[in-house]
Amino acid sequence: AQTVTQSQPEMSVQEAETVTLSCTYDTSESDYYLFWYKQPPSRQMILVIRQEAYKQQNATENRFSVNFQKAAKSFSLKISDSQLGDAAMYFCAYRSAYSGSNFGNEKLTFGTGTRLTIIP
Amino acid sequence: DGGITQSPKYLFRKEGQNVTLSCEQNLNHDAMYWYRQDPGQGLRLIYYSHIVNDFQKGDIAEGYSVSREKKESFPLTVTSAQKNPTAFYLCASSISRGSNEKLFFGSGTQLSVL
Repeated sequence: AQTVTQSQPEMSVQEAETVTLSCTYDTSESDYYLFWYKQPPSRQMILVIRQEAYKQQNATENRFSVNFQKAAKSFSLKISDSQLGDAAMYFCAYRSAYSGSNFGNEKLTFGTGTRLTIIP
Repeated sequence: DGGITQSPKYLFRKEGQNVTLSCEQNLNHDAMYWYRQDPGQGLRLIYYSHIVNDFQKGDIAEGYSVSREKKESFPLTVTSAQKNPTAFYLCASSISRGSNEKLFFGSGTQLSVL
């Protein structure tokens, strides 16, 4: 079974600065998808960024980028120019790319989250 | 606007009582999911459905039941067999089974025990 580990329960960053959130995962599969989700105080889950394991290039979405190290099974999220609206819980998630008859491959496996605080 | 609607936002359960959480989507998505979130933990999958009249157990299905009679609706019943039901419940949907497209999430239901 796959596992996702977020070793930083809490992080803080000064507004306009850059912060990196860590995520490691364990899998024996070679093809999969990785996601970062944001959960603000409203508690709605919002997709921040998505990475396909077969792609070498790190995904980027505006101020958000990832450092995907497949051999190290590491998937960190970098937030540049931090804004007050970035304050939230951030969850890393894994999903297998093999969607056969085994439902176990379908689900998203989440880490325990990192609470990000933005200091004005 | 398309999206997922969960109701109610807050729900209280008495001991021995079954309660049903509603989840409706107008995105024409085939796959729907129920997740449970406890403080300090990530989301854990309760049940999943990829087509009408079919669903599968997730990691923590004991004490829960679901139905999928319509494509748009995927209600979750928390039965009296669930001894620790207090949690935040999130419903989600995706275009199709196995899709690498994102999950769309509802705004959640907080269930508490009286």
